[in-house]
Parts: sequence; C-alpha cells; structure tokens
Amino acid sequence: DVKVTQSSRYLVKRTGEKVFLECVQDMDHENMFWYRQDPGLGLRLIYFSYDVKMKEKGDIPEGYSVSREKKERFSLILESASTNQTSMYLCASSLITGGNTFGSGTRLTVV
Amino acid sequence: GEDVEQSLFLSVREGDSSVINCTYTDSSSTYLYWYKQEPGAGLQLLTYIFSNMDMKQDQRLTVLLNKKDKHLSLRIADTQTGDSAIYFCAESAITSWGKLQFGAGTQVVVTP
Repeated sequence: DVKVTQSSRYLVKRTGEKVFLECVQDMDHENMFWYRQDPGLGLRLIYFSYDVKMKEKGDIPEGYSVSREKKERFSLILESASTNQTSMYLCASSLITGGNTFGSGTRLTVV
Repeated sequence: GEDVEQSLFLSVREGDSSVINCTYTDSSSTYLYWYKQEPGAGLQLLTYIFSNMDMKQDQRLTVLLNKKDKHLSLRIADTQTGDSAIYFCAESAITSWGKLQFGAGTQVVVTP
C-alpha cells in the first residue's frame, strides 16, 4: 500500500513565523497535493505538483508556497504564518489517474 | 467551476442501511470518489466510480450515479458503529487528473 507520511501531527507556531510542512510518499507517484481542511468547508486545494520542480496553484494559494525538489517529497511553506492559517493540513499523492492517497494530517495552530 | 454539495449530518441505527447523497456540477467529471475520515485521521479512499458507470458494488458499499441529475449516492448496508465518521464526496474533472473537488462532508452517527 502507498504510504504518505507527514512529518508532524501537531504544530504550534507564532504569528509571522515561517513554517515548513513536509510530506513524503513511497510509491513513486507523479502527483502530489496539499489541501487544508476546515469544518463545514471540506477540503480545499492549496497547491499541487505533477512532476519534480513543477507546481500549480490550487484554489487558495495565497499566503503559501511549495517546493518539490525530489519526486517523493512535497513541502508546503507558510511564508509568514497568520492566525487564519490555523487549520488541518492534508498531503496526498496519486498516479496520473486514480484517487488521492492521504497522509494523516498536520494540525497547525498559529498563535 | 466545479461545486460539490452534501448534506452535513446523518443519523442511523446500527444494522440499518445508510444512504449518503452528493450532487456535483461538472459535466466533464471522469471519476467520482467516496472518502471516509475517522476522528483525528486522514482520508481513506472507500470506493470510486467512473462516469460512464451507473452503479458499483463493493461488499457493503453500493455507489449509484445518476448522470442526468448529477447525483451520486453511497449506500452502506448493515451499518455498524465503526462506520461512524465523516464521508466526503469528491470529483475529478477530465482535465485535472488527480486534482479533486470535495464536498463539505457528511457526519454519519451510528446509534446502537
């Protein structure tokens, strides 16, 4: 089975800090995604990547950036964390066709 | 753009069937998915259906797709307490392989 691993389960950061969320998948999937999950809103796509060094904006990219230097690793960066970025962040990967396989999520609190 | 809608809550008695409904708007959708999220966990892919199918059955799960009405449903037979979770409907547009548009999720509570 594909495994998607997110480096942290819980994070607490201060407003203005630069925050890195790391995600690694072990099945050579081409596609990787970062979503945020908020109650009543479902999952919203922040950024995605179809290949190494390639990135595309999702529906809510403002305040975020990403990095994909290796095929198995996709990092989400909050350039200057704000309280409205407090959320559950979910990483996923997939083949070109097929459903996303998700990590367990990182619950980020910005204080 | 795409829009996926689900009812927010469903209560069902243990042993009964659950039916979770979803509507979508993108007529070019190729795959439609059902995910399950248990408390504190990520999303688990339950099943999916290709848009040229009407029905798919997998053990206790039955997915029905009405393309004319853009309506998708997930039926869980013999619902158990372990089925209590949030269920998300999602669609993948033909031009966006792997990029999913999610509904807000349906909280299913199974009572003894």
